[in-house]
Amino acid sequence: KQEVTQIPAALSVPEGENLVLNCSFTDSAIYNLQWFRQDPGKGLTSLLLIQSSQREQTSGRLNASLDKSSGRSTLYIAASQPGDSATYLCAVDNYGQNFVFGPGTRLSVLP
Amino acid sequence: GAVVSQHPSRVICKSGTSVKIECRSLDFQATTMFWYRQFPKQSLMLMATSNEGSKATYEQGVEKDKFLINHASLTLSTLTVTSAHPEDSSFYICSALDGPEQFFGPGTRLTVL
Repeated sequence: KQEVTQIPAALSVPEGENLVLNCSFTDSAIYNLQWFRQDPGKGLTSLLLIQSSQREQTSGRLNASLDKSSGRSTLYIAASQPGDSATYLCAVDNYGQNFVFGPGTRLSVLP
Repeated sequence: GAVVSQHPSRVICKSGTSVKIECRSLDFQATTMFWYRQFPKQSLMLMATSNEGSKATYEQGVEKDKFLINHASLTLSTLTVTSAHPEDSSFYICSALDGPEQFFGPGTRLTVL
């Protein structure tokens, strides 16, 4: 059974700092891995999608890496801004099965 | 944590038929639920926001007459794909809001032949 964990559960940083969010999964037979942003009371916003054959994806100040063999993914946020404050979720898609989401990391970027 | 269920988990149907997907919050009441879909090799995309007792709010590009959403109670939202076509084949996932937290259903894989 696939299990996804995220560390840390919460993170508070000053504006401008670079930061890394971690995601681990137990079953490396994944179809893809996605990072989402979740704002209170709002739906999910997809940030980055990494296919199982890829090692990283970049979008603006965001960079996500994937190491399937070790069951890890990281989300790197450069030059953080107060607008980045949200909960960040990673989710893995197993072949033919349902999504498994991590519990999320609550990020607060202080002005 | 709170539990959200979806039914069915998988459905295969013929082109032209309608398919109903249920999303239930099992141990909490949710005035707001969200519906997402994911096409192969694409990110999960929000389709609509479902509010109990009122009309759903659809995202740009989502046909409201094709994807009927009913949120008639605080624990149930349904998504009906009307006159389904093969291009509607996708993974549909719902989530329900419990206070500030959002809980996801396990998803429904729809295959339209």
